[in-house]
Amino acid sequence: EAGVAQSPRYKIIEKRQSVAFWCNPISGHATLYWYQQILGQGPKLLIQFQNNGVVDDSQLPKDRFSAERLKGVDSTLKIQPAKLEDSAVYLCASSSGHRFITVEQYFGPGTRLTVT
Amino acid sequence: QQQVKQSPQSLIVQKGGISIINCAYENTAFDYFPWYQQFPGKGPALLIAIRPDVSEKKEGRFTISFNKSAKQFSLHIMDSQPGDSATYFCAASLYTGANNLFFGTGTRLTVIP
Repeated sequence: EAGVAQSPRYKIIEKRQSVAFWCNPISGHATLYWYQQILGQGPKLLIQFQNNGVVDDSQLPKDRFSAERLKGVDSTLKIQPAKLEDSAVYLCASSSGHRFITVEQYFGPGTRLTVT
Repeated sequence: QQQVKQSPQSLIVQKGGISIINCAYENTAFDYFPWYQQFPGKGPALLIAIRPDVSEKKEGRFTISFNKSAKQFSLHIMDSQPGDSATYFCAASLYTGANNLFFGTGTRLTVIP
């Protein structure tokens, strides 16, 4: 079974530029998560999708971050404009469960973003 | 507000020794407590998880101890090996609902040969 795929693996941009990350979840997984992991901290949820609908985006800085999951499969996370404090690893995870069942989340390798 | 507090921040253990990592939580509505292992350059991977209806769960060399009244849980790694050197995160989530994970701050474990 192929795991969660993410690209790019690394990205360096200047502040005020825009950037986009892509995630392809495990085939058949209905739930997709985007987490932000700042160096030395645990991952923090940004947004959760159930199929192509948003379940929770309460921690997403909506003035600069946006995410979509068209057709309920792949997802993109965008930052525009980027700030220095956005430097982090952005992790995508997926799970087969729905909101009433807790099941394992499978994480991708992440995209390391450096904002200079 | 850190919903899950984890300690220690780093841990050095001799090969064959026992590694112990502790976590505490505030939200009594949490009822799913997983531990994740993360190697450099990789995403976190589920190691073991427990629900509050049991006080202990063991899988191989890894054991979770859970104390519901104290709102604490811990990971014990028996016979620690150099290959166990990684960062370990505890987490908590609601069993129902959005069940997004609230992670601790992580413990960097180093097992010395």
